[in-house]
Amino acid sequence: EIVLTQSPTTMAASPGEKVTLNCLASSSVSYMNWYQQKSGASPKLWIYGTSNLASGVPNRFSGSGSGTSYSLTISSMEAEDVATYYCLQLSSYPFTFGSGTKLEIK
Amino acid sequence: QVQLKESGPGLVQPSQTLSLTCTVSGLSLTSNSVSWIRQPPGKGLEWMGVIWSNGGTDYNSAIKSRLSISRDTSKSQVFLKMNSLQTEDTAMYFCARIIGTTTAYFDYWGQGVMVTVSS
Repeated sequence: EIVLTQSPTTMAASPGEKVTLNCLASSSVSYMNWYQQKSGASPKLWIYGTSNLASGVPNRFSGSGSGTSYSLTISSMEAEDVATYYCLQLSSYPFTFGSGTKLEIK
Repeated sequence: QVQLKESGPGLVQPSQTLSLTCTVSGLSLTSNSVSWIRQPPGKGLEWMGVIWSNGGTDYNSAIKSRLSISRDTSKSQVFLKMNSLQTEDTAMYFCARIIGTTTAYFDYWGQGVMVTVSS
């Protein structure tokens, strides 16, 4: 099983601050997907195929990485970005999610 | 538009069997694949299994012995059955469409159904 380790577990950013969330895989994966989940809601596809923004996702978000190291970056933090973000790999069975990064605003 | 909606009992007794239904609209199960994913309260997401468009299935090995996923394409429904439920199976259960080949991802999700395992 590929274990995805997300860091940090929790962080708070000021409006306008650049934010980077990390996802480290225990073995190499071909690509990474990211989901945003707000309290009480279903997860929403946010980034797929490592760097492709899902429909409606603001372009202040970006994704990058390869092999075992992937990241989601917000160029300028906004209040609406408060959520938990999960990475997901579908390169091998069982499909696995990271444990999530809870992003808060200062 | 594509929609998925989970349904099932909110409360299940320990050692009993959980039966959930995912009803889809805006897509055909003969050309789309659907997964089940669960999330215990306050915790992260766990992939449970998938039924592919060709009817084949794959399961998370951690729960494979207890899990069965099937479908009725004429009714646009996907079913989850999991036996020997324990309190740790208390969770929100989601169904989601999986799309893509070389790059795959879950794009549409249902709203989820909360299942509590308790006597």
